[in-house]
Amino acid sequence: DAGVTQSPTHLIKTRGQHVTLRCSPISGHKSVSWYQQVLGQGPQFIFQYYEKEERGRGNFPDRFSARQFPNYSSELNVNALLLGDSALYLCASRLGPSGGYTFGSGTRLTVV
Amino acid sequence: QQQVKQSPQSLIVQKGGISIINCAYENTAFDYFPWYQQFPGKGPALLIAIRPDVSEKKEGRFTISFNKSAKQFSLHIMDSQPGDSATYFCAAGNNNDMRFGAGTRLTVKP
Repeated sequence: DAGVTQSPTHLIKTRGQHVTLRCSPISGHKSVSWYQQVLGQGPQFIFQYYEKEERGRGNFPDRFSARQFPNYSSELNVNALLLGDSALYLCASRLGPSGGYTFGSGTRLTVV
Repeated sequence: QQQVKQSPQSLIVQKGGISIINCAYENTAFDYFPWYQQFPGKGPALLIAIRPDVSEKKEGRFTISFNKSAKQFSLHIMDSQPGDSATYFCAAGNNNDMRFGAGTRLTVKP
């Protein structure tokens, strides 16, 4: 069985550009969350979706947005990229509205 | 605002020893407390989790101790092995939110 898959695995963008990161949850999982992990720090909560509705949002600016599609896959969009947005972006999924997450291996975003 | 505080930042333990990592949370609405293990280049992997209706949960060599009144919980790794060397994260959350600690880098020396 495939785990949580994220694409792309690595990405280099220029300041001011826009980026879209994609996530496919484990088959049957209806909840998806996005996290930002800066090197040497813990994951920071960005968004949580369940059944295609936003259920939670962390302390990130409006430049960050996300959505969940009918097949439960998800996209994270970041506009007007800053150097400080360079990080590992992790997607995680779980079966229902509660419980532990299974994480993907992440997308490494570098903003230059 | 750091909602989950984790200590120590790093920990060195001899093979066969006990590793202990501590966490404290602030939000009393949190009702789920997992621990994750992360190896370099990988996403965090769920190790063990507890809900506040019990004070301890054990799975193999891993035990969570939970103190609801103090809003603290800890991970004990018994008989620590070199393969346990990784970064460990505590987390606290509920249905709509999950916050992570800053992580503890564990090194188990052979």
